Amino acid sequence: DAKTTQPPSMDCAEGRAANLPCNHSTISGNEYVYWYRQIHSQGPQYIIHGLKNNETNEMASLIITEDRKSSTLILPHATLRDTAVYYCIARGNTGFQKLVFGTGTRLLVSP
Amino acid sequence: NAGVTQTPKFRVLKTGQSMTLLCAQDMNHEYMYWYRQDPGMGLRLIHYSVGEGTTAKGEVPDGYNVSRLKKQNFLLGLESAAPSQTSVYFCASSYGGRNTEAFFGQGTRLTVV
Repeated sequence: DAKTTQPPSMDCAEGRAANLPCNHSTISGNEYVYWYRQIHSQGPQYIIHGLKNNETNEMASLIITEDRKSSTLILPHATLRDTAVYYCIARGNTGFQKLVFGTGTRLLVSP
Repeated sequence: NAGVTQTPKFRVLKTGQSMTLLCAQDMNHEYMYWYRQDPGMGLRLIHYSVGEGTTAKGEVPDGYNVSRLKKQNFLLGLESAAPSQTSVYFCASSYGGRNTEAFFGQGTRLTVV
């Protein structure tokens, strides 16, 4: 699995968009980009994943650059409940592919 | 629909004691996983299972054993607990092993004294 690099922490004002970057310069063609978050000490929660097209769901949007070397998770209107650690994971789609968690980005949403 | 349920939520063990952590899922998922998370670190995979009756080692399997006798349950055993096994343990399950989301339990906080 490709290594991902994320900033250790970010701040965001409530109601503003939170843009969380992730670098995955060694990602291979069959690896998806997954995002999970972990609120306080709860179990991680799936947010979104994509291969090369931009994706959107009810929680967030995922923008993947054309060369696939980086991506951005966008929370369009951050709330205090979005304060969490966000993990960006590159995961292959052949055979068994475990989720490898790094240390993620700690997002603090403030009033 | 409870999702993934872990039992117990908290436990304190003495060094050398044994215990079993239970993970149950009601989503008919084939794949199940056990992770541990230490302070300031990401989750590390201990063992996983790709179906009933099968188990495999993850990144940090030493000191742990697992069993998957029923599809909905995945047990993690500590035969002789050590202080280094003090951690938060998370169980997860997924429909498949690739291109599918994993669902996590709420964790078991284990302290070994």
